[in-house]
Amino acid sequence: GAVVSQHPSRVICKSGTSVKIECRSLDFQATTMFWYRQFPKKSLMLMATSNEGSKATYEQGVEKDKFLINHASLTLSTLTVTSAHPEDSSFYICSAALDGPYGYTFGSGTRLTVV
Amino acid sequence: AQTVTQSQPEMSVQEAETVTLSCTYDTSESDYYLFWYKQPPSRQMILVIRQEAYKQQNATENRFSVNFQKAAKSFSLKISDSQLGDAAMYFCAYLGSSGDKLTFGTGTRLAVRP
Repeated sequence: GAVVSQHPSRVICKSGTSVKIECRSLDFQATTMFWYRQFPKKSLMLMATSNEGSKATYEQGVEKDKFLINHASLTLSTLTVTSAHPEDSSFYICSAALDGPYGYTFGSGTRLTVV
Repeated sequence: AQTVTQSQPEMSVQEAETVTLSCTYDTSESDYYLFWYKQPPSRQMILVIRQEAYKQQNATENRFSVNFQKAAKSFSLKISDSQLGDAAMYFCAYLGSSGDKLTFGTGTRLAVRP
């Protein structure tokens, strides 16, 4: 089945530094990928939609200069949290749209801790 | 805009018993898709079951079934013969006919008592 690999699973970084999270579709081409943020015991909040070869579409309230998304190939999308601060600590999940209305497949998530 | 409401923040069920999780949604579309996702402690999102709005027959996947009431905009999940491994967060989700992005409910945390 369609698998999305997300790395790293956990990362700790210092305040002010940047961290990159990768999301790869392993056995299919993903024209569109999505990035979510999830707070403890809360639902998934869509941050942005990543389209291969074009600029990402950000949801209202999400700072595009802080959360840089690059979708340079049909199998890789990256989320870079720039100048990270403790309030950016969260669980980030990517997903890829499957052909047709068959839902989406999700990465295993990245727990980011900014100290 | 579409909204998805899960009115039960937490539910509990005895092992081997049956539990129903509620979900309602609001939409002006006639064609759409509904999903239930499971998120266990590992945080991996797992598709449990899917329903196409144009299908009157309720979807079933082994111990999981839905009660889809299109007129009432209701999409509940029934878990039969509950198992300890069913303990997780369950999210109801909506996908419009344009196949754009999923809209999630706030989730229901299911505990299974041994």
